[in-house]
Amino acid sequence: AQKVTQAQTEISVVEKEDVTLDCVYETRDTTYYLFWYKQPPSGELVFLIRRNSFDEQNEISGRYSWNFQKSTSSFNFTITASQVVDSAVYFCALRTENTGNQFYFGTGTSLTVIP
Amino acid sequence: GAGVSQSPSNKVTEKGKDVELRCDPISGHTALYWYRQSLGQGLEFLIYFQGNSAPDKSGLPSDRFSAERTGGSVSTLTIQRTQQEDSAVYLCASSPPPSQYNEQFFGPGTRLTVL
Repeated sequence: AQKVTQAQTEISVVEKEDVTLDCVYETRDTTYYLFWYKQPPSGELVFLIRRNSFDEQNEISGRYSWNFQKSTSSFNFTITASQVVDSAVYFCALRTENTGNQFYFGTGTSLTVIP
Repeated sequence: GAGVSQSPSNKVTEKGKDVELRCDPISGHTALYWYRQSLGQGLEFLIYFQGNSAPDKSGLPSDRFSAERTGGSVSTLTIQRTQQEDSAVYLCASSPPPSQYNEQFFGPGTRLTVL
């Protein structure tokens, strides 16, 4: 079975602090894809990043970075020097080669950045 | 249009009535997905289409829910005899081919309120 766990339901940080959002996934498939989406208060989900299971290289994009570790089945997301505009709900998702087009989403982490 | 569009944006209905929710995917996207997001919850997968066919209907919560897609484009999600527990935001997403490698692009959602 496929599953994504985001154990942190809500996080609050003060502006300029760094924050890491955790994502742990479960799958028996060897080929899979992991995603992060941002859902701001406006409601529309925005794609942030996709990683495939064969590429464990960490990625940095501006203030965002992602740490993919197959050994711990984790795909954590770090925001450096957080800003108020980062306040949103963040979802981690998984799809695998053998589950076709179905995505499995975590329950999301609500991040509030306090000015 | 540039993105996925959904209509109506808001729908208030009385218990027992039928409702139809519409999704217009991005042109050329072959896969289309429906999700439900209850207040403060994650995304619940409902159904997905590859072209006009729906290989996976496992997420539909009951036989009151049905969906169709015509011409490989527009999709309609129908809820018959609505119940109060159907109140949620219904999100539609689409993916370009080859769908299994690509992220989903989400629409703004339809907020359904059943009184």
